[in-house]
Amino acid sequence: EVQLLESGGGLVQPGGSLRLSCVASGFTFSIYAMSWVRQAPGRGLDWVSIICDNGGCTYYEDSVKGRFIISRDNSKNILYLEMNNLRAEDTALYYCVKGVPVAGKTTHFDHWGQGVLVTVSS
Amino acid sequence: EIVLTQSPVTLSLSPGERATLSCRTSQSASSPVAWYQHKPGQAPRLLIYGASTRAAGIPARFSGSGSGTDFTLTISSLEPEDFAIYYCQQRTDWPLWTFGQGTKVEIK
Repeated sequence: EVQLLESGGGLVQPGGSLRLSCVASGFTFSIYAMSWVRQAPGRGLDWVSIICDNGGCTYYEDSVKGRFIISRDNSKNILYLEMNNLRAEDTALYYCVKGVPVAGKTTHFDHWGQGVLVTVSS
Repeated sequence: EIVLTQSPVTLSLSPGERATLSCRTSQSASSPVAWYQHKPGQAPRLLIYGASTRAAGIPARFSGSGSGTDFTLTISSLEPEDFAIYYCQQRTDWPLWTFGQGTKVEIK
């Protein structure tokens, strides 16, 4: 059974930093792209970032470019999201998600974690 | 930038009724649409990918159709557990994955 377990969320002041972690199990972690998707309070789902299976490529949604860093440790089956210079609008539930490739590129996401809450407030 | 617009925003139906949810993209993209079900306090669940292929373990009452810019999720006969929010999603560019704003299916 695929499991994705996020941790590391919490309350942080504007300008602060947090590091989210996602421990994956039940599948061969190292051969799938992994992503973070967030949901702000009362809002829909928004893609945040994705990392290739070997960690060799990373991509970000425009509003987090230069502030967030996605990484992975394939020896430990862990996905990370380092979030710096946090803003109030980053407040959201952050989901760790497993990508599904079609013709070598991720098109959709077939497994999601339960999510971890990040609150940015003074 | 391709935008995914879902309609209606809210669908009020009774158990046993048919639900038809729409997802319209502002431009045609090369990547097919996926649909997800999201219940409060739970992880979103993949229902449909490739516009019409049911994900593993998804009941046959869920079906997807469409191509180009118009896509539809149909629930043939609503079960009590189907009342939730439904999102469509597409890889609208490289690298960009976009979700619709969601349709809430609520009990009438």
